[in-house]
Amino acid sequence: KAGVTQTPRYLIKTRGQQVTLSCSPISGHRSVSWYQQTPGQGLQFLFEYFSETQRNKGNFPGRFSGRQFSNSRSEMNVSTLELGDSALYLCASSLGVAGYNEQFFGPGTRLTVL
Amino acid sequence: KNEVEQSPQNLTAQEGEFITINCSYSVGISALHWLQQHPGGGIVSLFMLSSGKKKHGRLIATINIQEKHSSLHITASHPRDSAVYICAVRGTGNQFYFGTGTSLTVIP
Repeated sequence: KAGVTQTPRYLIKTRGQQVTLSCSPISGHRSVSWYQQTPGQGLQFLFEYFSETQRNKGNFPGRFSGRQFSNSRSEMNVSTLELGDSALYLCASSLGVAGYNEQFFGPGTRLTVL
Repeated sequence: KNEVEQSPQNLTAQEGEFITINCSYSVGISALHWLQQHPGGGIVSLFMLSSGKKKHGRLIATINIQEKHSSLHITASHPRDSAVYICAVRGTGNQFYFGTGTSLTVIP
């Protein structure tokens, strides 16, 4: 089985722009979660989707949004980028609800905001 | 205050040593996860626990729900175990909280 894939792997944007990141889960997995990792804050939970519905959202501003499609693929969008948004963005998929099932992580998208 | 605290932050061991990484949490949880992150960023889920003890090869994870504490043990450590180990909990409010990680270096 193919693992979790994320595109693009690397991205450079400037302040004020917006960005869309994509995550394709393992086939058959219905849950996708997104996380942000920075050297200063470590790993932080962004949101969780299950069967196209957002189940949970972390403590991030409204500039961060996401969605999940009927094929379980998920996208997250960050609008009006700030320097502090530079981070590794990771998605993870699981068969059932995240946290109660083993999560499989993608390689991440490294976003640099200049 | 962090909901999840890990210790130690950094750990250096000689190959073959027994290693323990500790995780304490302050929230009610549904499950606790141990994650391994190698240089380059890839994260692998090692264990998911809600009670008791689990073992995979040389790795053992335990949890004490009453004391809100979990430990990850590595027996007969090997240089390939060098990585950052992260404790994460799913709170009963469905939020995820992460420890800051323990950086382990195993010297041959």
